[in-house]
Amino acid sequence: SQELEQSPQSLIVQEGKNLTINCTSSKTLYGLYWYKQKYGEGLIFLMMLQKGGEEKSHEKITAKLDEKKQQSSLHITASQPSHAGIYLCGADNLGVYGGSQGNLIFGKGTKLSVKP
Amino acid sequence: DSGVTQTPKHLITATGQRVTLRCSPRSGDLSVYWYQQSLDQGLQFLIQYYNGEERAKGNILERFSAQQFPDLHSELNLSSLELGDSALYFCASSLRTNSPLHFGNGTRLTVT
Repeated sequence: SQELEQSPQSLIVQEGKNLTINCTSSKTLYGLYWYKQKYGEGLIFLMMLQKGGEEKSHEKITAKLDEKKQQSSLHITASQPSHAGIYLCGADNLGVYGGSQGNLIFGKGTKLSVKP
Repeated sequence: DSGVTQTPKHLITATGQRVTLRCSPRSGDLSVYWYQQSLDQGLQFLIQYYNGEERAKGNILERFSAQQFPDLHSELNLSSLELGDSALYFCASSLRTNSPLHFGNGTRLTVT
């Protein structure tokens, strides 16, 4: 079955520093989604990437999809305390024959702490 | 606010009991998904409904069942509860397949 591995598992950065979170899939990525979760709360949708080489930005967060490497990265520029939380990548769940099952599987998340 | 409403927010019950979790999807969304989140397993897909019909099943135990009603709200029923069922249960909805899922704030279930 398809698996998503996120690295690092946790990250502590000083406010103002840049950081990158990676998400690697065991199978080809057809759709990759980034979410943010505050502890004990729901997941907030950040961005969706669908094409190899695609890059999207929202405020100070940029996500890229490297389809050949079956990998996506999330980059935060000039981090702020408001960026703290758990970042999860999700991907279209592929069945045995490679077709989309219509739901998402998720990585285990990267916990980000930003020190003021 | 994602537009997905889950009730109750918290639920504390004893082993062996049965509970029902409720979800109202975003207006216009036909697909509803249920996920379980625990510290060791992460976010696990349980089951998906589309316009009242079961579309896909994930790691859902036989003690668990769900349904989606004609008004598109969904309920997740958990029975013969065990300590290990303690987790956050999320409902999500989407407009169609391959579009982003929008999550509710979850129901925190504690089984004592």
